[in-house]
Amino acid sequence: EPEVTQTPSHQVTQMGQEVILRCVPISNHLYFYWYRQILGQKVEFLVSFYNNEISEKSEIFDDQFSVERPDGSNFTLKIRSTKLEDSAMYFCASSVLSSRGYTFGSGTRLTVV
Amino acid sequence: AQSVTQPDIHITVSEGASLELRCNYSYGATPYLFWYVQSPGQGLQLLLKYFSGDTLVQGIKGFEAEFKRSQSSFNLRKPSVHWSDAAEYFCAVLMDTGRRALTFGSGTRLQVQP
Repeated sequence: EPEVTQTPSHQVTQMGQEVILRCVPISNHLYFYWYRQILGQKVEFLVSFYNNEISEKSEIFDDQFSVERPDGSNFTLKIRSTKLEDSAMYFCASSVLSSRGYTFGSGTRLTVV
Repeated sequence: AQSVTQPDIHITVSEGASLELRCNYSYGATPYLFWYVQSPGQGLQLLLKYFSGDTLVQGIKGFEAEFKRSQSSFNLRKPSVHWSDAAEYFCAVLMDTGRRALTFGSGTRLQVQP
C-alpha cells in the first residue's frame, strides 16, 4: 500500500537553528499538508499546499515557517529559527482530493534544546 | 467556530469487552468525518471515514462508526476489544466549506486490561 514517508524520524536541534523536515507524499496525490502535535495535545493543522502554492494556513504558520516542493517528489517544511515551543511531532499528509481524507506519514519528532 | 469534542480523555476496558468512543462536532452542515488511531510513537492511521450514504460505516481492525445527524455525533465502536487496540483515538472532521484543514478532537486514550 502506498505510504507517505517522512525523514528524519527524530531530530534534535538547538534553539535558533534552522531545520528542514522532509516528506515524500504518495506519487499521484495532489494536495499536501503539514500538521503538528505538541506532546499530550491535539493534532493541529499548519498548512496545505496545492499546485505549487500554499492554499491555506493556520495562525500557527507564521513567518518562521515555510514549505516547498523542490522537485516532483519531496515536500519540505522549514522552520527558520527554532524556538523551544516548536518541539512537537510534525506530520506530513497527502491526498488525491481534499475531501477524501488523507494519508499521514509516521511523523518527525522535533526536539528543540 | 466549528469544533470537535471527544468527551472522554481516557477509557479503560477489559479485553473482550465492547467499546464505544464518543465524538461530537459543531457545524451547521454535515461535515466529512474520520476516525484515526495513533499507537505510541507512531503516525496516524485512518480507521474509517464517512462522507454520505449509509450512516453506519465499517472500518479496519473490526471498528465501525455511526453518524447520527440529530446528535451531531460520530461514535466509534468495536464489539470485542483486543489488547493490541490500546492506543490513542482521534476523531476528525473536514468541513464542506472548501477548507482543506482537518479539525481534530483532543483524543481518547484507550487502555485494555487483560
